[in-house]
Amino acid sequence: LAKTTQPISMDSYEGQEVNITCSHNNIATNDYITWYQQFPSQGPRFIIQGYKTKVTNEVASLFIPADRKSSTLSLPRVSLSDTAVYYCLVGEVRTGGSYIPTFGRGTSLIVHP
Amino acid sequence: GAVVSQHPSRVICKSGTSVKIECRSLDFQATTMFWYRQFPKQSLMLMATSNEGSKATYEQGVEKDKFLINHASLTLSTLTVTSAHPEDSSFYICSARAQDRNSGNTIYFGEGSWLTVV
Repeated sequence: LAKTTQPISMDSYEGQEVNITCSHNNIATNDYITWYQQFPSQGPRFIIQGYKTKVTNEVASLFIPADRKSSTLSLPRVSLSDTAVYYCLVGEVRTGGSYIPTFGRGTSLIVHP
Repeated sequence: GAVVSQHPSRVICKSGTSVKIECRSLDFQATTMFWYRQFPKQSLMLMATSNEGSKATYEQGVEKDKFLINHASLTLSTLTVTSAHPEDSSFYICSARAQDRNSGNTIYFGEGSWLTVV
């Protein structure tokens, strides 16, 4: 059973780098790790996805160690608009092979002026 | 990234009536869509997996006769809340699974639909 664990909340200040780590000890061999951002009353927004090592796009970086039991989302130079809940998502493969994306509790990031 | 559209974004209905929420994948085909429910300050709770051309798979504790799911085409899934009650008031979110050869099976989410039952 794939399960994720993240810090419930984090605080930061504008301009700082924020790193949010997610534990997923039971991740399936062929599963990817996907991070989402959610603002109140909106659906989660895709940020970044990776399988191993490091992935970088225009908004974030994702670091995944060799054992893939955790991953770290890195947000460079956060601004007030980055205040949101961040989820890491891995899948649960059930009997029959169905893939079920499973959410943990997420990390509420508050960026202060 | 891929776009998933939900409609309506907000709906108010009277107790005892039914309301339908649509979820569309706009630029890709989705054989699998997922429906979630989210209460304030809580995480997303999976309600059911919607499979194109077959019956939905419901999570334990979710009443299939109350939350009717239809996945009639590769781009459309609908959730109908039947005989709605105030306790059904919630934020409903759909997602669709896009298969990309360059990455994993990425899940994209709709904007969500607020349902208020009065």
